[in-house]
Amino acid sequence: NAGVTQTPKFQVLKTGQSMTLQCAQDMNHEYMSWYRQDPGMGLRLIHYSVGAGITDQGEVPNGYNVSRSTTEDFPLRLLSAAPSQTSVYFCASSSDRHEQFFGPGTRLTVL
Amino acid sequence: GQQLNQSPQSMFIQEGEDVSMNCTSSSIFNTWLWYKQEPGEGPVLLIALYKAGELTSNGRLTAQFGITRKDSFLNISASIPSDVGIYFCAGRSGGSNYKLTFGKGTLLTVNP
Repeated sequence: NAGVTQTPKFQVLKTGQSMTLQCAQDMNHEYMSWYRQDPGMGLRLIHYSVGAGITDQGEVPNGYNVSRSTTEDFPLRLLSAAPSQTSVYFCASSSDRHEQFFGPGTRLTVL
Repeated sequence: GQQLNQSPQSMFIQEGEDVSMNCTSSSIFNTWLWYKQEPGEGPVLLIALYKAGELTSNGRLTAQFGITRKDSFLNISASIPSDVGIYFCAGRSGGSNYKLTFGKGTLLTVNP
């Protein structure tokens, strides 16, 4: 099992550009989520999904969209990147025992 | 909303020393998880706790689910340099709710 994979590992965008952060898991987990991690702020939940076709907002959803067309994939879209979205983004999936497993992260810089 | 207070924020210790850190919550949790994050990596699950009073070990790490269900503790015995990293606690309120609330982390530095 590869676990949770994320691409790209690094990305630099200009303000106003859009992009999609990819996340995939091969553990057949229903629950998946996206977090951003900023210094001094810990991990903050952006969006989550409890299964294919079902998504919901987390703590900091503005400026981000998600969709869940399959159990395996949960992409995060930045519609119009802003410098405030410079952060490290983590995708996670959760087992039935509510243990969340994290991907390696995407380090995003918005200029 | 739920809040988790994790302390201490940082620790600087000598190799071989024992380490203790804890998390307290303003509300009850049904699951406590402890993670470690190394530079440039994602958090890695260390220990999961499911019952009040539960004490679980993973090598030199021991974690406890507090009796009040509002706190949890992580101890590391005989620290070594590779213990360096940020340790996070996370709690889940229960039922069908998968969402976790995270502490802000404890930065551990081990001096060889």
